[in-house]
Amino acid sequence: GEDVEQSLFLSVREGDSSVINCTYTDSSSTYLYWYKQEPGAGLQLLTYIFSNMDMKQDQRLTVLLNKKDKHLSLRIADTQTGDSAIYFCAERASGAGSYQLTFGKGTKLSVIP
Amino acid sequence: DAGVTQSPTHLIKTRGQQVTLRCSPKSGHDTVSWYQQALGQGPQFIFQYYEEEERQRGNFPDRFSGHQFPNYSSELNVNALLLGDSALYLCASSHQQSSGKLFFGSGTQLSVL
Repeated sequence: GEDVEQSLFLSVREGDSSVINCTYTDSSSTYLYWYKQEPGAGLQLLTYIFSNMDMKQDQRLTVLLNKKDKHLSLRIADTQTGDSAIYFCAERASGAGSYQLTFGKGTKLSVIP
Repeated sequence: DAGVTQSPTHLIKTRGQQVTLRCSPKSGHDTVSWYQQALGQGPQFIFQYYEEEERQRGNFPDRFSGHQFPNYSSELNVNALLLGDSALYLCASSHQQSSGKLFFGSGTQLSVL
């Protein structure tokens, strides 16, 4: 079955880099996503990567995908206090037109000023 | 360009009642998915609608039903509410032919007393 695992907490100092890790189990996943959720809010799409890519960079965000180990990471460079939030990793099921995502429980990122 | 909009933002119901939640997708999107997010958990997939039909369904009972209208907006109905149905209900929209982007609304917080 599908399962997505993330560590629950991460604490970093302002200006440092944050690395949030995720493992998934469905080898047929098509896309993998990172979403950000602030208190009382919905999910904000940060970035996503197609399963045949190894890396994707978007400004301060770098996503690395190790398909062999089913490991996904999100690196946030120069972490700011506004980055404090819960970050969710999600995998998308294979199948044409499917938008069924399986989410991890989220990693709470705390940025210390 | 409005993003995904959901209404109402908050709702309080009692056990046994029925509830209807509404979602308008992002402009240009034709596919709507619904997710349930319990406190401290990641979102769980309920179902997906495309061309006014339910295309995929997660592990939710028949008390959860939905509808998609010709203008692509959608409703989620929950009958015979249980205390355990208390959660944040998130709507997500996408385009069937897109490269994978899935955008979420801010959600409806449902409390069942």
